[in-house]
Amino acid sequence: AQTVTQSQPEMSVQEAETVTLSCTYDTSESDYYLFWYKQPPSRQMILVIRQEAYKQQNATENRFSVNFQKAAKSFSLKISDSQLGDAAMYFCAYRSGQGNTDKLIFGTGTRLQVFP
Amino acid sequence: KAGVTQTPRYLIKTRGQQVTLSCSPISGHRSVSWYQQTPGQGLQFLFEYFSETQRNKGNFPGRFSGRQFSNSRSEMNVSTLELGDSALYLCASSQVALLAGWGPDTQYFGPGTRLTVL
Repeated sequence: AQTVTQSQPEMSVQEAETVTLSCTYDTSESDYYLFWYKQPPSRQMILVIRQEAYKQQNATENRFSVNFQKAAKSFSLKISDSQLGDAAMYFCAYRSGQGNTDKLIFGTGTRLQVFP
Repeated sequence: KAGVTQTPRYLIKTRGQQVTLSCSPISGHRSVSWYQQTPGQGLQFLFEYFSETQRNKGNFPGRFSGRQFSNSRSEMNVSTLELGDSALYLCASSQVALLAGWGPDTQYFGPGTRLTVL
């Protein structure tokens, strides 16, 4: 069975600074997808970024980028130029590339605080 | 396009009652998934539906059930409620790629239904 681990329950960063959130996963599959979701206090889950396992290039979306280390099964999220609006829970998620399923396996989340 | 909508947003029930939660996916989306979020267990997959068929189910007791209608709207039902069923129930929809090799579509989440069982 696949598992996702986020070892940092809480992180904090100063506005305009850079922060990295860690995520490791375990799987025996070769085809899969990884995601970072953000859940602000409003509780609405928002997709931040996704990475296909077959792609060697790290995904980037504006101020958000990932460091995908397939051999190490590591998928960290880097937030550059942090903003107050980035404060939220961040969840790392895994989705199998096998079979017909949308099922996401989530980590336990990292609460990010942003200080002015 | 309107986002995923879930009704009701808040619900208070007592032990032993049953509850039905509703999810309307984004227009054109055919896949709907349900998740339970609690402080203790985190986010756990309940089930997913595509074209009115349940195609995957999580590790939850039979008291949890769901269905999907021809317009892709989905409902989940919890019977004989227990205190431990208190949670935020999230619904997510995706369009589902029709051609092999496109990879998974992005799942869009609704705001959730907060269920409190007293």
